[in-house]
Amino acid sequence: DGGITQSPKYLFRKEGQNVTLSCEQNLNHDAMYWYRQDPGQGLRLIYYSQIVNDFQKGDIAEGYSVSREKKESFPLTVTSAQKNPTAFYLCASSAGQFKAFFGQGTRLTVV
Amino acid sequence: AQTVTQSQPEMSVQEAETVTLSCTYDTSESDYYLFWYKQPPSRQMILVIRQEAYKQQNATENRFSVNFQKAAKSFSLKISDSQLGDAAMYFCAYRSANYGGSQGNLIFGKGTKLSVKP
Repeated sequence: DGGITQSPKYLFRKEGQNVTLSCEQNLNHDAMYWYRQDPGQGLRLIYYSQIVNDFQKGDIAEGYSVSREKKESFPLTVTSAQKNPTAFYLCASSAGQFKAFFGQGTRLTVV
Repeated sequence: AQTVTQSQPEMSVQEAETVTLSCTYDTSESDYYLFWYKQPPSRQMILVIRQEAYKQQNATENRFSVNFQKAAKSFSLKISDSQLGDAAMYFCAYRSANYGGSQGNLIFGKGTKLSVKP
């Protein structure tokens, strides 16, 4: 079945540590997105990519980095520069103007 | 920049009754898409319904329908015959029809938590 797979489901990060969240899609979608969800805040855009080897900052990109080396993959790295990384992270993909498909999310907690 | 506002942080409805969730948005564009997404406790985002701004007819999907008022920039979701499985967070979202650059992104409201009482 086609879809988006995020891993891991739960992730724990120590202070000062970088961690990478995986997002893979087999929908052949060009565009991929990373959103952060905090209680009462809705979803906020971190980074997006509309084509391989190209990506753009969203509204809250500070402390995050991404890569898009393959069409299917759009990993997100939460760096030590992100001072408040505890949140729920959602990856999405879309084809043109059609609906976005979402992964099941990764819950990141700082310990 | 476009914004989406959901003014009801929480709503409650009795099973089998009807409930309406509100959403307003701000944009200077004339062509865009509006969506309602449902996020149950599993946190999987599920598309409920979609509306193209150029269509005057309100979208309907089974028990879900919208009241799209373009001039008022309002996009409410009506859930009829509410079921226990409808309990979830509901997010209203906007996407520009000018796909390219940042305008292909979904802009979300802060959500409305819907509870369904048996």
